[in-house]
Amino acid sequence: GDSVTQMEGPVTLSEEAFLTINCTYTATGYPSLFWYVQYPGEGLQLLLKATKADDKGSNKGFEATYRKETTSFHLEKGSVQVSDSAVYFCALSGISGSARQLTFGSGTQLTVLP
Amino acid sequence: GAVVSQHPSWVICKSGTSVKIECRSLDFQATTMFWYRQFPKQSLMLMATSNEGSKATYEQGVEKDKFLINHASLTLSTLTVTSAHPEDSSFYICSARHNSGNTIYFGEGSWLTVV
Repeated sequence: GDSVTQMEGPVTLSEEAFLTINCTYTATGYPSLFWYVQYPGEGLQLLLKATKADDKGSNKGFEATYRKETTSFHLEKGSVQVSDSAVYFCALSGISGSARQLTFGSGTQLTVLP
Repeated sequence: GAVVSQHPSWVICKSGTSVKIECRSLDFQATTMFWYRQFPKQSLMLMATSNEGSKATYEQGVEKDKFLINHASLTLSTLTVTSAHPEDSSFYICSARHNSGNTIYFGEGSWLTVV
């Protein structure tokens, strides 16, 4: 079945540091890939997505490129801020039966220190 | 934008009692909603897919008689944990697929503690 393997946390960085959170996946066919973010006390929000190979999703300074050859979708940001502290989930959208469903990674807790 | 509201945000109940969690799409219709649970430091695990007007589809290993799902309207799905036990304590989160465009929106989640 489909699966997502995500870098274990927690990750602690200083403000303005470079961020990489690794994500690799296993899936049949051509899934869509997502990064979700969960800020403290809030629900999951879509951060960015990519629907086909070599697509780059970007939002709020975060980027991730859909690499089919390495089955990866690593999340990067050049300069993190304290407000980026949250839990980040990598996910893929595959098809099970007639419903398109999401499979999530375990989440990575990011703490950015001032 | 589209909002999914989950209620309650947190609940404490006694062992053996049942507790209901609601998931509402506030400004859009959702034929399909999903229920997940998350144990500490683990991934979100899909429990079931809820389809309006029909029986929910449960994932392997999820007891349908214990986790009752009802999706009676295009804006409301409920999850009832029956005869709750401490091992049912977890974070439950729902999501709803917008009928127009297929975007999925998540609720805020519900913390269940069974004592």
